[in-house]
Amino acid sequence: DAKTTQPPSMDCAEGRAANLPCNHSTISGNEYVYWYRQIHSQGPQYIIHGLKNNETNEMASLIITEDRKSSTLILPHATLRDTAVYYCIVRVSSNTGKLIFGQGTTLQVKP
Amino acid sequence: EAGVTQFPSHSVIEKGQTVTLRCDPISGHDNLYWYRRVMGKEIKFLLHFVKESKQDESGMPNNRFLAERTGGTYSTLKVQPAELEDSGVYFCASSQERPPRFFGPGTRLTVL
Repeated sequence: DAKTTQPPSMDCAEGRAANLPCNHSTISGNEYVYWYRQIHSQGPQYIIHGLKNNETNEMASLIITEDRKSSTLILPHATLRDTAVYYCIVRVSSNTGKLIFGQGTTLQVKP
Repeated sequence: EAGVTQFPSHSVIEKGQTVTLRCDPISGHDNLYWYRRVMGKEIKFLLHFVKESKQDESGMPNNRFLAERTGGTYSTLKVQPAELEDSGVYFCASSQERPPRFFGPGTRLTVL
């Protein structure tokens, strides 16, 4: 699975959009981009995933660049409850359930 | 619908003792996964069941760890004997697809 690079921390004002970047320059054609988050000491939470098209669900939007070497997770209206560590993970979807969690980005949403 | 549940939520044991963690996946989910986060490190994969079969156990740290999923429903993870470095939070997850979508709240294990 390709390696990802994320900034260690970011701040966002409550009510504003949070844009979390992820670099995955060595991504292969059959590898998906997955995003998870972990709020404080809770279990990780799946957010969204995509291959090459932009994706949107009730939680977030995922924007993948045309060359697929980077992506951005967008939380459109961040709330205090979105404060968490966000993980960008690249993997082949048909693989086993093995996810490689890196350090992630700690997002602090401030009032 | 109930989510993934784990029992106990906390466990404190002495080094050398045995501990068994339990995970109840979401009903109907064939895939069940165990992960853990030990003391300040990253979340690490332990193993993956498909129904009652071990699909991938490449993350199991050593033979002191034994995972079972009898009947393809709930799963147990036994640590025997426990060592200090086993302290951490053990997460179970389940889903119909791969990778996991739904994680449990975790079991916090403290080995003294």
